[in-house]
Amino acid sequence: GESVGLHLPTLSVQEGDNSIINCAYSNSASDYFIWYKQESGKGPQFIIDIRSNMDKRQGQRVTVLLNKTVKHLSLQIAATQPGDSAVYFCAETSGNQFYFGTGTSLTVIP
Amino acid sequence: NAGVTQTPKFQVLKTGQSMTLQCAQDMNHEYMSWYRQDPGMGLRLIHYSVGAGITDQGEVPNGYNVSRSTTEDFPLRLLSAAPSQTSVYFCASSWGQGVPEAFFGQGTRLTVV
Repeated sequence: GESVGLHLPTLSVQEGDNSIINCAYSNSASDYFIWYKQESGKGPQFIIDIRSNMDKRQGQRVTVLLNKTVKHLSLQIAATQPGDSAVYFCAETSGNQFYFGTGTSLTVIP
Repeated sequence: NAGVTQTPKFQVLKTGQSMTLQCAQDMNHEYMSWYRQDPGMGLRLIHYSVGAGITDQGEVPNGYNVSRSTTEDFPLRLLSAAPSQTSVYFCASSWGQGVPEAFFGQGTRLTVV
């Protein structure tokens, strides 16, 4: 079956620094790779996605990198803010099914 | 704009009881899905629907039933609750199948004793 994992379950960064959250995946046939943010007590919230034929995509303060050679996905958050503290999930989809990783908890230190 | 609404927010069931978790969306989305979230497991897909009248199984469908009679509603039924079904349940919707951006509800925390 599918396998999506994350490298570190927790990450702490100083406010204003850049954050990098990593994810490994196993299914080379996925159409999209996606990052979600989940704040405590809330449902996941879409951040950004990248199509499988792309290497990099930028959003507002976030960049997603996709390395298909080593099946690695990363989310970079620039100038991390206290409001970025949350659990971040990577996910992949091909067709109708989505597969989520186990999440990385990001804590921003003021 | 309400988005995706789940009810109830919290529920305690006794083993063997049945119940329905409600999910409604007001965005006219074709694709709807149910996930369960357990500690250390991420979100796992239970069932999904690509439109009214069409449902299919996800990764962990056993013990759950769904139906989709309207575009707006996608209820999840537990026929005979078991302690293993203690979890947080999320409903999500998106414009269509294969669309990566999904909108999630606030979740239902279910405890089966």
